[in-house]
Amino acid sequence: DIQVTQSPSSVSASVGDTVTISCRASQHINDWVGWYQQRPGKAPKLLIYAASRLHSGVPSRFSGSGYGTDFSLIISSLQPEDSATYFCHQAHSYPWTFGQGTKVEIK
Amino acid sequence: EVQLVESGGGLVEPGRSLRLSCTVSGFNIADHSMGWFRQAPGKGLEWVAFIRTSAYAGASEYAASVRGRFSLSRDDSKDITYLQMNSLTSEDTGIYYCSRRQGRYFDFWGRGSLVTVSS
Repeated sequence: DIQVTQSPSSVSASVGDTVTISCRASQHINDWVGWYQQRPGKAPKLLIYAASRLHSGVPSRFSGSGYGTDFSLIISSLQPEDSATYFCHQAHSYPWTFGQGTKVEIK
Repeated sequence: EVQLVESGGGLVEPGRSLRLSCTVSGFNIADHSMGWFRQAPGKGLEWVAFIRTSAYAGASEYAASVRGRFSLSRDDSKDITYLQMNSLTSEDTGIYYCSRRQGRYFDFWGRGSLVTVSS
């Protein structure tokens, strides 16, 4: 199975800050990575697919990068509504796996 | 508007069965593969199962933790996919989400159905 290691587990930042979340896959997965946002008590929402492509309707302050084994989600100009847990997901091969999640808190 | 609604969750004793349903609207389910995921209390996301479209004979894939106990089916005429869960254990407790596959990713999710396995 492909392991996905996500860091940090939590981050606290102020409105307007830039937050970077990282994921590392245990093997090369091209750009088969998605990023999801999950607010408390809500379903996950797709933010980024194919490592860097913005899903429809997602604000442009969200961006993704990476290829191979190392990937990043960047939230620029953090907003109060960005308080949530973020997960990366490898879509390269079964079983599909997720990172452990990063909780983003607004100071 | 795309919507997915899971139902059928609840409290069940270990060893018993439960069937979850995912009813969709706002799109043609026949055009999409569908996935199921779960989230144990306070934990991350886990992929559970996946069913392809009828173009691929509705073939399914399962996570190792549920293979042989869970089975997926779909009724495109009713816009529903079903997750049959047998021989449930406490490890199966969590919120179960269904999701629509677009390309290799899951672009719309339901709000989830809580399954609690306990005596």
